[in-house]
Amino acid sequence: QVQLKESGPGLVQPSQTLSLTCTVAGFSLTSYNVHWVRQPPGKGLEWMGVLWNTGGTRYNSDLKSRLSISKDTSKSQVFLKMNSLQTEDTATYYCAKTSYNNYFDYWGQGVMVTVSS
Amino acid sequence: DIVMTQSPSSLAVSAGETVTINCKSSQSLLSSGNQKNYLAWYQQKPGQSPKLLIYLASTRESGVPDRFIGSGSGTDFTLTISSVQAEDLADYYCQQHYSYPLTFGSGTKLDI
Repeated sequence: QVQLKESGPGLVQPSQTLSLTCTVAGFSLTSYNVHWVRQPPGKGLEWMGVLWNTGGTRYNSDLKSRLSISKDTSKSQVFLKMNSLQTEDTATYYCAKTSYNNYFDYWGQGVMVTVSS
Repeated sequence: DIVMTQSPSSLAVSAGETVTINCKSSQSLLSSGNQKNYLAWYQQKPGQSPKLLIYLASTRESGVPDRFIGSGSGTDFTLTISSVQAEDLADYYCQQHYSYPLTFGSGTKLDI
């Protein structure tokens, strides 16, 4: 059974670094891509970046300078790190798996992150 | 980047009615290689994660009721919900899965 679950701090101070973990089950990170998508409160979905099954990455150009995605295959975990957080980064952060055709077939439950002092 | 324009932003209907949500892409999502359109639809109920309804423009995900119908080609796509039920109250998003960066429409809020 495919599952993804995000974990991380609910509150981050401005200018600090956000670190999130996505723990997956039911599939291998060497076979499928995992993405991060975020959603500010009351707003739409924004694709942040992808960790390909090969280990390569691709980022949203608006976030590229601040974002890093990596993985520990042995632990079935994908990591997101984003620095220089601002209040506009307040959002629910989702990790999601894509099919071979790049549509999101499974999503995590999401983790709400508030950027505030 | 491919810009996805979704309309309307919100609509209110009564149970049993048919609903149409539109999604327009700034570039064609039709692959010349396999003649498939790379457009997906998601449903997001309040407090939940998005759920895949439709991919490749018209292929219903397993377990999705057949009242959800995806159609369209090229740059113009439609999600039709026939005989809307109370449980369909949600936000609906289109997403192009044709090229990176992956992009979403701004969403349609369905009130019943």
